Amino acid sequence: QVQLVQSGPEVKKPGASVKVSCKASGYTFNAYGVTWVRQAPGQGLEWMGWISGHNGNTNYPRKVQDRVTMTTDTSTSTAYMELRSLTSDDTAVYYCARALGWDLPQEAFDIWGQGTMVTVSS
Amino acid sequence: HSVLTQPPSASGTPGQTVTISCSGLSSKIGSHAVNWYQQLPGTAPKLLIYSDNQRPSGVPDRFSGSKSGASASLAISGLQSEDEADYYCASWDDSLNGHVIFGGGTKLTVL
Repeated sequence: QVQLVQSGPEVKKPGASVKVSCKASGYTFNAYGVTWVRQAPGQGLEWMGWISGHNGNTNYPRKVQDRVTMTTDTSTSTAYMELRSLTSDDTAVYYCARALGWDLPQEAFDIWGQGTMVTVSS
Repeated sequence: HSVLTQPPSASGTPGQTVTISCSGLSSKIGSHAVNWYQQLPGTAPKLLIYSDNQRPSGVPDRFSGSKSGASASLAISGLQSEDEADYYCASWDDSLNGHVIFGGGTKLTVL
């Protein structure tokens, strides 16, 4: 079946980096994009950016564009999100999701990963 | 930057129809599709409505979406206890390089 499986929980110290993986299965990876969304404890959803599974094009929001890098490995159908210079404000569950279509970041997200908890604490 | 405004809470009794609104402060939002997501407690969000009013396969027709200008609505008819969840609208904002924006979420309680 179509699914996205994310890597396990992470605990990081302030200033460190974290890299979360998202392995896709059950569909043609390069026919879709992958988007990342985070949710701080008790808060709403926040968009972290998008990467095309077809050509690797990315789109990041200004708030995090200097600290985030999204990549894909099409040979393993895996997407990655790296976030640098972590602070306590980055503590959240990070979700990857499949974006309908491969060419535009504004498409809907129809399949979601299970989420990865990232905790930033000294 | 633009935001999407949702009521923080909504409620209804089983069988009723509940409507959740989503309004944008930017006129540009009216030109982009609105999507709706349902998040059950402790789970990942799920796509409920896309492109303003389209239901993905498997989503009951009790859920419907509409949009007029810079506002959108999600209607849930025949309310059921399992509909108790958080609901988020989302759209695209062309400003600041372009980015996806989410509403603040509406917690739906089935009384």
